[in-house]
Amino acid sequence: AQSVTQLDSQVPVFEEAPVELRCNYSSSVSVYLFWYVQYPNQGLQLLLKYLSGSTLVKGINGFEAEFNKSQTSFHLRKPSVHISDTAEYFCAVSRHNTDKLIFGTGTRLQVFP
Amino acid sequence: DAGITQSPRHKVTETGTPVTLRCHQTENHRYMYWYRQDPGHGLRLIHYSYGVKDTDKGEVSDGYSVSRSKTEDFLLTLESATSSQTSVYFCAISESDPSSYNEQFFGPGTRLTVL
Repeated sequence: AQSVTQLDSQVPVFEEAPVELRCNYSSSVSVYLFWYVQYPNQGLQLLLKYLSGSTLVKGINGFEAEFNKSQTSFHLRKPSVHISDTAEYFCAVSRHNTDKLIFGTGTRLQVFP
Repeated sequence: DAGITQSPRHKVTETGTPVTLRCHQTENHRYMYWYRQDPGHGLRLIHYSYGVKDTDKGEVSDGYSVSRSKTEDFLLTLESATSSQTSVYFCAISESDPSSYNEQFFGPGTRLTVL
């Protein structure tokens, strides 16, 4: 069975500092990988996705993620965060030829001035 | 933004009462999903639909039923609400078929409190 692990439930960081949110998945078959962001009192919005090809994926708002097949990881990074990046971030995985997403438990990013 | 609305957006109800949440889409997407979001659990799939009158259970389907009589509407019913069903419920839609990737678009959520 697939699973997604987000190791950090909360990540505090100061504005303009770099940040990395970690995501590891378990699957014996090929997968698609996603990062979603949820701002307070809102639904989820897609940040970026890995389908195939280049392992470095760029998304909206300056975020990027790198797919590492050998380590089964898909960590999210941003070189310089803003106050407005304060939100909860969810990693999700979908096995090829299925119609379900499996979500991690989320990481709350808190950016301080 | 994908055209997804959820109603009601907030609801407070009492244990034992029936509750129906509605998800409405204007995108004509085939797949629709109901999730619940709880602290420490992320999003968990309750039920999903892959077409009109075609539904299936997710990982936390006990105590919930769904119906989809039209492409645009997906209803989630709690036949007899319990306090453990206090949660935020999200609807999602997806156009994908099994040969494609599964990008889902989410509604704004419904906050349900069962007293």
